[in-house]
Amino acid sequence: DTEVTQTPKHLVMGMTNKKSLKCEQHMGHRAMYWYKQKAKKPPELMFVYSYEKLSINESVPSRFSPECPNSSLLNLHLHALQPEDSALYLCASSQSWTGRETQYFGPGTRLLVL
Amino acid sequence: AQTVTQSQPEMSVQEAETVTLSCTYDTSESDYYLFWYKQPPSRQMILVIRQEAYKQQNATENRFSVNFQKAAKSFSLKISDSQLGDAAMYFCAYHRTNAGKSTFGDGTTLTVKP
Repeated sequence: DTEVTQTPKHLVMGMTNKKSLKCEQHMGHRAMYWYKQKAKKPPELMFVYSYEKLSINESVPSRFSPECPNSSLLNLHLHALQPEDSALYLCASSQSWTGRETQYFGPGTRLLVL
Repeated sequence: AQTVTQSQPEMSVQEAETVTLSCTYDTSESDYYLFWYKQPPSRQMILVIRQEAYKQQNATENRFSVNFQKAAKSFSLKISDSQLGDAAMYFCAYHRTNAGKSTFGDGTTLTVKP
């Protein structure tokens, strides 16, 4: 199974809402990533978890809060977002974060902030 | 900081023909990995091909091959016998060993004409 799943597929939220994005993989990967992608742009790294510990935070605003409850699951909690946060949010995983392993991407959650 | 440059925002190719997508990168490191990812209009990003910098031999994967010129810091992707399903945005990515994150180019949108 080389699949990364993400839920929900689409999400519309107001600026005062609290919502969460979920990502799951069952490949035994120990590194998991959150990316933000705007249309026709490359993915921008937000967070990297390695062995369930936050290893990289790319200076992401605190209205985005990641969580890694276990080695298979990655959440992104959203609160008080801005319209400019509307984007495709991609989750990815890899065997480790050394770079030699391929990242497997999920289909993404398309987020619209009104 | 590492940078990845894809100088062709858009390319088109006739079905069954060959096309080459260019990628250059800037790094002072000697140990790293290079990737080409494909993101079709459905938006799930998948790996096309990867190359270890320490390997002189160019990677190949069926109809996909790379021309890796380490001294020139060039990593182009050749797609032979192009198919309609090859239409997608292609991202070149650089990953320094043990750095935890990839640097992506801005992408090249490939159109395949029947």
